[in-house]
Amino acid sequence: DGGITQSPKYLFRKEGQNVTLSCEQNLNHDAMYWYRQDPGQGLRLIYYSQIVNDFQKGDIAEGYSVSREKKESFPLTVTSAQKNPTAFYLCASSIPRPGTGELFFGEGSRLTVL
Amino acid sequence: RKEVEQDPGPFNVPEGATVAFNCTYSNSASQSFFWYRQDCRKEPKLLMSVYSSGNEDGRFTAQLNRASQYISLLIRDSKLSDSATYLCAVNIGSSASKIIFGSGTRLSIRP
Repeated sequence: DGGITQSPKYLFRKEGQNVTLSCEQNLNHDAMYWYRQDPGQGLRLIYYSQIVNDFQKGDIAEGYSVSREKKESFPLTVTSAQKNPTAFYLCASSIPRPGTGELFFGEGSRLTVL
Repeated sequence: RKEVEQDPGPFNVPEGATVAFNCTYSNSASQSFFWYRQDCRKEPKLLMSVYSSGNEDGRFTAQLNRASQYISLLIRDSKLSDSATYLCAVNIGSSASKIIFGSGTRLSIRP
């Protein structure tokens, strides 16, 4: 079955540590996204990528980094510079055409900083 | 001003009621619009795309008003299973897809 796989589902880290969240898709979608969701809040865009080897900052990119070396993969690194990293992280993909944009989401990764 | 703003809720209505949500967007060049449903601690799932002519899917009706820059979602004859958070999403990209979400509206249906 086609879909998006995020791992790990739950992650704990100590303050000052970097952590990388994995996102893999086999939908053959060109566009991929990372969102952050805090309790009771909507989704805020961290980074997005339209094609391989290209990505753009979203609204809250500070303290995060991404890479897009393969079409299928869009890992997110939460660095120690992110002041409040505890959140629910959602990866998504879509076919990037103007006038479209239905997103397909992974099941998310819950990061807790101890 | 936020790019996408949404009624914060929460909405608590009895079963069978009709409930409506609104969502405004600031970028007049926005290309496409969506409503997503999110259950507690789950990922969002597409409920409906929103077209200029409006669209209906069973008890759900979505409309777009480009002049006033808002979209709406109407749920008729609400069911207990409609309890969830409803998120509007707007593709504000002109040549690419930058999809921004509203903060979500929580809906609780009571028996």
